[in-house]
Amino acid sequence: DGGITQSPKYLFRKEGQNVTLSCEQNLNHDAMYWYRQDPGQGLRLIYYSQIVNDFQKGDIAEGYSVSREKKESFPLTVTSAQKNPTAFYLCASSIMSQGEAFFGQGTRLTVV
Amino acid sequence: KQEVTQIPAALSVPEGENLVLNCSFTDSAIYNLQWFRQDPGKGLTSLLLIQSSQREQTSGRLNASLDKSSGRSTLYIAASQPGDSATYLCAVLYSGGGADGLTFGKGTHLIIQP
Repeated sequence: DGGITQSPKYLFRKEGQNVTLSCEQNLNHDAMYWYRQDPGQGLRLIYYSQIVNDFQKGDIAEGYSVSREKKESFPLTVTSAQKNPTAFYLCASSIMSQGEAFFGQGTRLTVV
Repeated sequence: KQEVTQIPAALSVPEGENLVLNCSFTDSAIYNLQWFRQDPGKGLTSLLLIQSSQREQTSGRLNASLDKSSGRSTLYIAASQPGDSATYLCAVLYSGGGADGLTFGKGTHLIIQP
């Protein structure tokens, strides 16, 4: 069953902690993306990767980091430098950077 | 800065009606435009992808059109059903300089009344 899997579905972070959100795809897509969604705002691009071992900052990369060691995996770390991390995080992939984008089910991160 | 605007922000109609959702974008230099559906607390489901060279795409009761010159797209939903209730998002992939990735509108929250 092909698709994009994000885990966990819900995540709670204490002040000052780093947390890592998982995103795995078995679609054999080259491009992968992380977006953040806040109430009343459109999705905003955090990071994207077009190929293994390469990634680029999006519009709101400050306080986040990523890695792309394998084609199928693109984890996102929310660091303590991100001052307002509470949001819904969505991972996406496409066969190439101009292709149709497919999304995972999201991770809701809450700071406690 | 590229912007995508969706009108209306919310819409409530009785079941069975045909309806149109609107999307406008500020820069006509696009690769493609994609319509998504999002249910509460869920991820995005791709509905239709229109390449820049295309004028429209159809899938079942859905029809999406693209007019690059005027910077507009519409999503037409025929014979609406309560199961169509969701937020509909329009997103544009620009071919200009800058980061890759889609630029999203804020969505239209659609309620179909049984």
